[in-house]
Amino acid sequence: DTEVTQTPKHLVMGMTNKKSLKCEQHMGHRAMYWYKQKAKKPPELMFVYSYEKLSINESVPSRFSPECPNSSLLNLHLHALQPEDSALYLCASTPVLGPTNYGYTFGSGTRLTVV
Amino acid sequence: RKEVEQDPGPFNVPEGATVAFNCTYSNSASQSFFWYRQDCRKEPKLLMSVYSSGNEDGRFTAQLNRASQYISLLIRDSKLSDSATYLCVVMGGTGGFKTIFGAGTRLFVKA
Repeated sequence: DTEVTQTPKHLVMGMTNKKSLKCEQHMGHRAMYWYKQKAKKPPELMFVYSYEKLSINESVPSRFSPECPNSSLLNLHLHALQPEDSALYLCASTPVLGPTNYGYTFGSGTRLTVV
Repeated sequence: RKEVEQDPGPFNVPEGATVAFNCTYSNSASQSFFWYRQDCRKEPKLLMSVYSSGNEDGRFTAQLNRASQYISLLIRDSKLSDSATYLCVVMGGTGGFKTIFGAGTRLFVKA
């Protein structure tokens, strides 16, 4: 059982659609992350929030827009995506930003297909 | 040179075998080290944190050698259920936030 919950688990969207991915954790973690993972590749960092503030944006295209409404929630808003954006989108959290003995806790991911 | 390098794999082993995975990292200022397991189409799950003193969890033993910048994972008495991709993850270093995932090593355990 994961302690980071992501919804939806699967999403198919057209290139003109607007959709949002949601992530929730109740472990009191203050750092939350969005990763993108393509098949047979390791996860790639997209965004990092620390204490609800965007700390890192890894030069992600503006068609991806993150939002952190509170310390437990993290959203990723999607608009005008391309087929190559199809991937597994993973949310993760850590107690704080920076090296930790605990590693990431990942959600089960949203498998996104852009058609 | 990649910042984190792992054995490319895949490793094909029979049940009961002992298998070892290696991982090297280039940033000597790295601070935290982990092995994650990822099943096909699932999220990565933390298998073990890795410490210089070495740590063991059942059939799994992890070791960190800071001088050689090398991390290892040993799996003894392999089970079919150990089949997965194993990711080496390195956190920390100079220049702010830094977490690097290795490319992963695929393990197939066969009956």
